Amino acid sequence: ELKVEQNPLFLSMQEGKNYTIYCNYSTTSDRLYWYRQDPGKSLESLFVLLSNGAVKQEGRLMASLDTKARLSTLHITAAVHDLSATYFCAVDLMDSNYQLIWGAGTKLIIKP
Amino acid sequence: DAEITQSPRHKITETGRQVTLACHQTWNHNNMFWYRQDLGHGLRLIHYSYGVQDTNKGEVSDGYSVSRSNTEDLPLTLESAASSQTSVYFCASSEWSGIPLFFGPGTRLTVL
Repeated sequence: ELKVEQNPLFLSMQEGKNYTIYCNYSTTSDRLYWYRQDPGKSLESLFVLLSNGAVKQEGRLMASLDTKARLSTLHITAAVHDLSATYFCAVDLMDSNYQLIWGAGTKLIIKP
Repeated sequence: DAEITQSPRHKITETGRQVTLACHQTWNHNNMFWYRQDLGHGLRLIHYSYGVQDTNKGEVSDGYSVSRSNTEDLPLTLESAASSQTSVYFCASSEWSGIPLFFGPGTRLTVL
């Protein structure tokens, strides 16, 4: 069964701390996406990772992809309250046009 | 600016009624998707289309149908609404794999 597992599913942390969200997947793929969703809102693309070893950074967020380990990480550096949201990873199956399998999401709460 | 819109944004209906959710995009994307989002399940694909007159079933297509008569629109119809179809529905579009999906604002559907 194709699975995308995120952990943790819920994370409460203090401002200024560092933390990592993990996304493990069970199929061969070298395309992985990270999205952000604010409460009651739609999904917004954060990163597109298209090859083994890909690393993307924007602000306090950095995403990486290890296709051999079937693992992507989303690292948060010196967290700020505005980063509170739910973060989803999605894996492209690559055997058809744009079939994505989604993780359940990680709800991140950053306390001032 | 190009955008993707959904209507209605909120809908309450009764069991057994037919319901149609609209999705309209001005990106001129060939690929369009319908997802449902339920707590603890991430996003699940309902139907998708790669172009005019093309429609395909996703992992949770039972009880739903779509039609694609032009590039801009992919309406989602619930043939006979059931309480299990209470959910938030997102429409998305993209030009090709490797490019992130653009999501609409979502429709919150309640079936009583």
